[in-house]
Amino acid sequence: DAGITQSPRYKITETGRQVTLMCHQTWSHSYMFWYRQDLGHGLRLIYYSAAADITDKGEVPDGYVVSRSKTENFPLTLESATRSQTSVYFCASRGPSGGPGETQYFGPGTRLLVL
Amino acid sequence: AQSVAQPEDQVNVAEGNPLTVKCTYSVSGNPYLFWYVQYPNRGLQFLLKYITGDNLVKGSYGFEAEFNKSQTSFHLKKPSALVSDSALYFCAVRDRGGGNKLTFGTGTQLKVEL
Repeated sequence: DAGITQSPRYKITETGRQVTLMCHQTWSHSYMFWYRQDLGHGLRLIYYSAAADITDKGEVPDGYVVSRSKTENFPLTLESATRSQTSVYFCASRGPSGGPGETQYFGPGTRLLVL
Repeated sequence: AQSVAQPEDQVNVAEGNPLTVKCTYSVSGNPYLFWYVQYPNRGLQFLLKYITGDNLVKGSYGFEAEFNKSQTSFHLKKPSALVSDSALYFCAVRDRGGGNKLTFGTGTQLKVEL
């Protein structure tokens, strides 16, 4: 049971480049999430998705784009990377139905460095 | 807006002693409360949650947490700490009315020493 995976695990890019972080879950969970983790801020929600083709903004969405054409995939794109987007990015999913009392599970994270 | 506070950036405890990691929350209604643990270079792992019912919730690895509605707290506890418990711990709250958003505290680094 693979659970939830992220790729790449580490990424170095340059300012202005487009970067896509991948997230894949094998549970068919309805809800998926993207967070960033920064010192002093804990985890902050970037975007979330309630189902395929349904996405919504979180706390810090600026500079990011998401899509969800299939239930199992939820890619996060930085359209033009900036140094302030250097962070650790975590994908998560919640299921099976996505109810608020259900547990949210996290992927291993992607460490992104923007030079 | 809902919020979570973890007042201690770091907690140090000797192996074998009891440990407590503090968490207080603020929501508009009755909350769903969660604790997660993060080991170095890893994702967050679920420890336990409070949904309803008994105020004392038992979770993974011998951890438990006590929900206190009057003090709006959900402190994480373990009777006897292990060196392997050293990690970063996050408390989180989800507003029943909100449905979707899980708000995290800033985390508490637990260090268990021999």
